[in-house]
Amino acid sequence: GAVVSQHPSRVICKSGTSVKIECRSLDFQATTMFWYRQFPKQSLMLMATSNEGSKATYEQGVEKDKFLINHASLTLSTLTVTSAHPEDSSFYICSAKAPQAEQYFGPGTRLTVT
Amino acid sequence: GNSVTQMEGPVTLSEEAFLTINCTYTATGYPSLFWYVQYPGEGLQLLLKATKADDKGSNKGFEATYRKETTSFHLEKGSVQVSDSAVYFCALGSNSGYALNFGKGTSLLVTP
Repeated sequence: GAVVSQHPSRVICKSGTSVKIECRSLDFQATTMFWYRQFPKQSLMLMATSNEGSKATYEQGVEKDKFLINHASLTLSTLTVTSAHPEDSSFYICSAKAPQAEQYFGPGTRLTVT
Repeated sequence: GNSVTQMEGPVTLSEEAFLTINCTYTATGYPSLFWYVQYPGEGLQLLLKATKADDKGSNKGFEATYRKETTSFHLEKGSVQVSDSAVYFCALGSNSGYALNFGKGTSLLVTP
């Protein structure tokens, strides 16, 4: 099946710094990408939906100025957590899909803010 | 709003036992329903899906039937294997066919 990668798989950063997470579709063109957040023993919560070349649509309660999403190409979307704080520590998962195709998930990125 | 409730784990079964993981949903309209599986260290993989009432999704011996009258999509397998050990997520999706709302996940451990 299609492959979606995320980089880095784990990152530790200091409070106040910004962190960028990349999501790539390796063998297909992803017109839509999704970013989810998963807390321990909790469900995945959709943060935002991004379509290539346009602004992301954020879910209610997600700060768009804190979680910057860029979907500049059909194979790459980035999530930047700005001015990270310990409460932003979480597991971030992206998914990607092409038109009329199913959704494929990346392996996730574990962010720890100290 | 839309939501998914699935049974809490962990579930521990012996090899060849029968598996049921319950999932119920709340939704407006006619959503698609999914089961995803996450093996250790890997991303979520689509296990099966159903797009309308009474549809049965099946894959790798797993089955789930979209029951509108009971708003359920329970996952079943007649004989589990050690390799089925993973976390299983029930999800509710849009009519366009992508998953938006996930349950909390149920961890399954199958012992030899």
